Amino acid sequence: EPEVTQTPSHQVTQMGQEVILRCVPISNHLYFYWYRQILGQKVEFLVSFYNNEISEKSEIFDDQFSVERPDGSNFTLKIRSTKLEDSAMYFCASSGTMYSNQPQHFGDGTRLSIL
Amino acid sequence: AQTVTQSQPEMSVQEAETVTLSCTYDTSESDYYLFWYKQPPSRQMILVIRQEAYKQQNATENRFSVNFQKAAKSFSLKISDSQLGDAAMYFCAYRTDSINTGTASKLTFGTGTRLQVTL
Repeated sequence: EPEVTQTPSHQVTQMGQEVILRCVPISNHLYFYWYRQILGQKVEFLVSFYNNEISEKSEIFDDQFSVERPDGSNFTLKIRSTKLEDSAMYFCASSGTMYSNQPQHFGDGTRLSIL
Repeated sequence: AQTVTQSQPEMSVQEAETVTLSCTYDTSESDYYLFWYKQPPSRQMILVIRQEAYKQQNATENRFSVNFQKAAKSFSLKISDSQLGDAAMYFCAYRTDSINTGTASKLTFGTGTRLQVTL
């Protein structure tokens, strides 16, 4: 069964550095999402992306964050000038259609640790 | 804004027994979808079951079923004949019907319930 893949599985970065989290969505999917989960807390929506544009973003997704689909397969989340509070598990998801009855398929996540 | 509440941080069930995980939500919308996702230690979130708000019939997927009470805004998950492989974090999630928004809508998650399955 097709899967969403995320790399790396664990990223350790010094505070203030930039980090890029990578995701390869399921190949025929058109809608892409990033979520994050701070340790011990709920999974929170960051951003959704379609047709090379952000569809929706949360309050968390400020100017520090950006997303990009640089080629036909990758979907990246860039965090500029990382802060300690950016430490979290970041999940990428994709869906084939916009319809809410179609599930979002999640990757395994990238654990980001900011030192 | 919609909120999802899971009031049970941890639950435990013996193998072969039945367990019910609770979820309540708050919304002013009439059209939406509800989901239960499972997150085993391998970390990937897997869809367990979904419920359309417009359907009165409760969804069922093999050993998993829901009790959807729209008026009470309650959406509990029942796991029958529990197996060791059911041990995981379970998240309840809400999603606006995208027909109303015209774009793919986000998932709003609860805080999760960690389910332990004992022998």
